[in-house]
Amino acid sequence: KAGVTQTPRYLIKTRGQQVTLSCSPISGHRSVSWYQQTPGQGLQFLFEYFSETQRNKGNFPGRFSGRQFSNSRSEMNVSTLELGDSALYLCASSLAGDIGNTIYFGEGSWLTVV
Amino acid sequence: EDKVVQSPLSLVVHEGDTVTLNCSYEVTNFRSLLWYKQEKKAPTFLFMLTSSGIEKKSGRLSSILDKKELFSILNITATQTGDSAVYLCAANPSGTYKYIFGTGTRLKVLA
Repeated sequence: KAGVTQTPRYLIKTRGQQVTLSCSPISGHRSVSWYQQTPGQGLQFLFEYFSETQRNKGNFPGRFSGRQFSNSRSEMNVSTLELGDSALYLCASSLAGDIGNTIYFGEGSWLTVV
Repeated sequence: EDKVVQSPLSLVVHEGDTVTLNCSYEVTNFRSLLWYKQEKKAPTFLFMLTSSGIEKKSGRLSSILDKKELFSILNITATQTGDSAVYLCAANPSGTYKYIFGTGTRLKVLA
């Protein structure tokens, strides 16, 4: 069974631009969450979606947004990129979307902002 | 504020050694704790713990949770160079769909 698939894997953007990252969850998984990983802060929760609804949002500015489609695929968008947005963006999916379920990560999208 | 603290931050051992990694948590109405192994890619799931005192085992790895003292440990016996990685733990505050991650323990196993 295929794992969580994220695209693109690597990208370089310029300050002020925007970026869209895509995530396809494990087949049958309906909950998708996003995390930002940086050397200084570790993994930090961005948001979680289930049945196209955002159920939780982390402490990130409004430049970070996301959505989920009816097929459970998810995208996240970062507008007006800043140098500090350079990070590994990880998507994770879980089966039923219940509280406390195991989440499985994709390979991540490495974003560099120059 | 919810937080998860892992110790030690880094560890260097020789093949065959046994290591114990620590994870303490302070989260609101704790629900579950996850352990992951991360090499230069996505974190790989190891264990999910929800009940105190019940050891989870997978090969040379084992983990246990103490909900009274708010911590978990991950043991690796007979370490191998392939165990070199960052080990992450994460706690789920009940009522939320997020996990709070620790900053990880970087383990290096020397041949």
